[in-house]
Formats: sequence, C-alpha cells, structure tokens
Amino acid sequence: GAGVSQSPSNKVTEKGKDVELRCDPISGHTALYWYRQSLGQGLEFLIYFQGNSAPDKSGLPSDRFSAERTGGSVSTLTIQRTQQEDSAVYLCASSFYHEQYFGPGTRLTVT
Amino acid sequence: KNEVEQSPQNLTAQEGEFITINCSYSVGISALHWLQQHPGGGIVSLFMLSSGKKKHGRLIATINIQEKHSSLHITASHPRDSAVYICAGRDDKIIFGKGTRLHILP
Repeated sequence: GAGVSQSPSNKVTEKGKDVELRCDPISGHTALYWYRQSLGQGLEFLIYFQGNSAPDKSGLPSDRFSAERTGGSVSTLTIQRTQQEDSAVYLCASSFYHEQYFGPGTRLTVT
Repeated sequence: KNEVEQSPQNLTAQEGEFITINCSYSVGISALHWLQQHPGGGIVSLFMLSSGKKKHGRLIATINIQEKHSSLHITASHPRDSAVYICAGRDDKIIFGKGTRLHILP
C-alpha cells in the first residue's frame, strides 16, 4: 500500500535493553513526525524532520531517545536503556504540506 | 493550564444527534488539525485549517482566529462516529489536546 508503515507492530523488551522502531513514510513526503501515546494519555510530540533541515528534537523526553532519518525517507527512533515508563504506542506520521498521514504505530512494552 | 484545551472530555449521544466538540488554544498557531482516533488506535487526519470553515461529508470544522477557538461538528451522528477526536495546534511544533471521547448510541 501507499500509506505510512511502521515496524515492528509490537515490541516487548526487558528494562535496560535498547530498541529501534522503524517508520517508512509515504514516498515524496518531506516531513516526518514521531509521537507517542502512553496508556490512557494524549498524544505527545517527540521529534520532527523537515527535508534536509536539522530536526526539531524539542519533544524528546530524555537523552536516551534519538532518531534519524536516512536519505530523507526511512526513519528510526532509538530508545537506549529502556525504562518501564517508556511503554507506549509510538506513532509516526508523514506529510508533504500540512496534512499528516499516520502509521499504525508500534506498541512498546518494557517489562 | 494546557495550551490546547478540548471540551467536553467525554460525550455520549443518541444516533442522529448533532455533535459539537470544542477546542481552545492559548498559543499562536499557524494551523489547527482535527484528528480521529478509532477504538483500534488508528489515527486519521480529518481537517487542517487556518481560517474559516471546512466541510467533508457530515463533518464540519470551523476556526475563529481572533477568539483562538475551533469547533468540530458532526451532523446526523452514527455509531460508527464513535471515536476519540483530537485537536492539535501547529506552529513550530504540534501541541495536542487531550481528546474528546465520543460514543454514539444506536
């Protein structure tokens, strides 16, 4: 399909391990966003990539979180030394102008 | 105080009723988004607007820039409209409201 895809759909990891979450945006979309939604909570902005500009990392909750976007397409969100409070659904969205198209999310559970 | 406030938090209505969900923001924004999150978790972008009014099917979104207020209306509501509706203000970053959980009873 031509939508935003994310992998894995579910990830269970032990506290202290590193995890990588992947987002494949819609081809041609210059902007890519990462969000997370903790259980029972609203959406929270994490990081924003726009073209070749430096990413807006202002939403990352700690230095354990990082993201990169290679070749202006695929993005990877990395969480190092995971903690239980990192458990959430991590959502990726891409856009060409303003309208965002969301991926299905990755449900991360840290045990 | 949240920079983007939605009301009501929860809304239950009968099928066919006219629904209004409100969003007020206290920050300067360049655009406002309305999103729909289905019970399964998937998110769909409904509207992006920076002025006036937009309509798509039974959904209408309005924004008043001077009053920093937007409304989402659903006409002839249906049980399949049951979802969480989220407004988000956009400037340099996106700030989300906490969402309105709508439940339409058949």
